[in-house]
Formats: sequence, C-alpha cells, structure tokens
Amino acid sequence: NAGVTQTPKFQVLKTGQSMTLQCAQDMNHEYMSWYRQDPGMGLRLIHYSVGAGITDQGEVPNGYNVSRSTTEDFPLRLLSAAPSQTSVYFCASTRYRQGRNYGYTFGSGTRLTVV
Amino acid sequence: DAKTTQPPSMDCAEGRAANLPCNHSTISGNEYVYWYRQIHSQGPQYIIHGLKNNETNEMASLIITEDRKSSTLILPHATLRDTAVYYCIVRHMEYGNKLVFGAGTILRVKS
Repeated sequence: NAGVTQTPKFQVLKTGQSMTLQCAQDMNHEYMSWYRQDPGMGLRLIHYSVGAGITDQGEVPNGYNVSRSTTEDFPLRLLSAAPSQTSVYFCASTRYRQGRNYGYTFGSGTRLTVV
Repeated sequence: DAKTTQPPSMDCAEGRAANLPCNHSTISGNEYVYWYRQIHSQGPQYIIHGLKNNETNEMASLIITEDRKSSTLILPHATLRDTAVYYCIVRHMEYGNKLVFGAGTILRVKS
C-alpha cells in the first residue's frame, strides 16, 4: 500500500515553461487536493476534487489547472511557470462521505524552483 | 470555517507530556477539531480529530472543553522525533472536506 505518491520530488523550471505534477493514490479515496507551502508558511489550498470528473478551486488557483479523469490520479498543471510559483507542492487524499470526517493522507511533496 | 489561535512555539522535555493548546472561540456546533503535524519538510501527518468528546488514539489524546471554545492536544511521552509544527484546524463537517491550515505551533522536544 503506497498511499499518496507524488512525482517528481524535485524540479527546476525556467520562467514560461509548463509542466505537470503527478499525484496518485491507491486507497480508493474520493477526495483529492493540492496544496502549496512557501518557506515558513502554512499550506494553502490550490484545487480539490470530490470525485472523478469533479474539481473546484481553492484559495490560490491562479496559474494552475487540474483534472480528475480517474479516482486514482489528480495531476496539477502549471500553464506558464513564474518565479512566484517556486514552492513545495503537496497532494492529499481522504475518503469523502457527506457529513462524515476522515483524516487526510499527504504525499511527500514536490519541490519546485522556477528560475 | 472557524479560525484558530495557537502559540507560535513551545518547548518540552523528552519523556514528559507535551500539551499543545488551541483556541477556537467561534467554533460552531457542526465543526470538528483536527490536529496535524509536519515534521521538517515532510508532508503533514494526521494525528487525531474530535467533535465534542475527548478522543484518544495511539499517537495522542485530544481534550475539548465543554463549551468547545478551546482544545488541547496531549502527546503523553514526547520524544525527539515529535519535534514538528503542529496544526490545529477547525472544519465544518459539510463543506467538501477542505482543510485550511494556519501557522501552527513549533514544538521542540529537548533531551
């Protein structure tokens, strides 16, 4: 049971390049989300999904796209990388039941530097 | 979601109980209290959550006051590996499971 797997672990991009951060979970969790964490700060929600085919924006969605074609995968796309997107990105998943609460499982993160 | 207030940092001696407080005076009846921690640069780790009653698991205990306006996370026998940032989060049970992180408390366990 791998939990939440994020790839790559490290990435350096040039300004204007695009890339996709991968996130996969093998726990059959309905809910998946992406966070970014800047140095010395807490996590901020970028996008989330409550199931395949359903996505919504979080606190800081600008410059990022997501899609959810399967339950297992929730990729995050940077359309045109900017230095302000230099951050550590975490993917998380949890079971989703209306009115019920469960703990999240987080991935180990992708450290992205945009130069 | 209700806002939370936590001390920026705390120290604890190894082997002693670590008691981390959290104020959430605006919490509503449908909001849970969650605790997560983040060790160094790793992904956050779920610790425990509760609604009204005190909760205990293999990692920690959660004590929620009767008026639900504050709570305390207790690590019964802190070790050096418990040094981390601890986040107290209040979340509505209906709102799509979004989790909003604050600044948290840096807990330093010292030998």
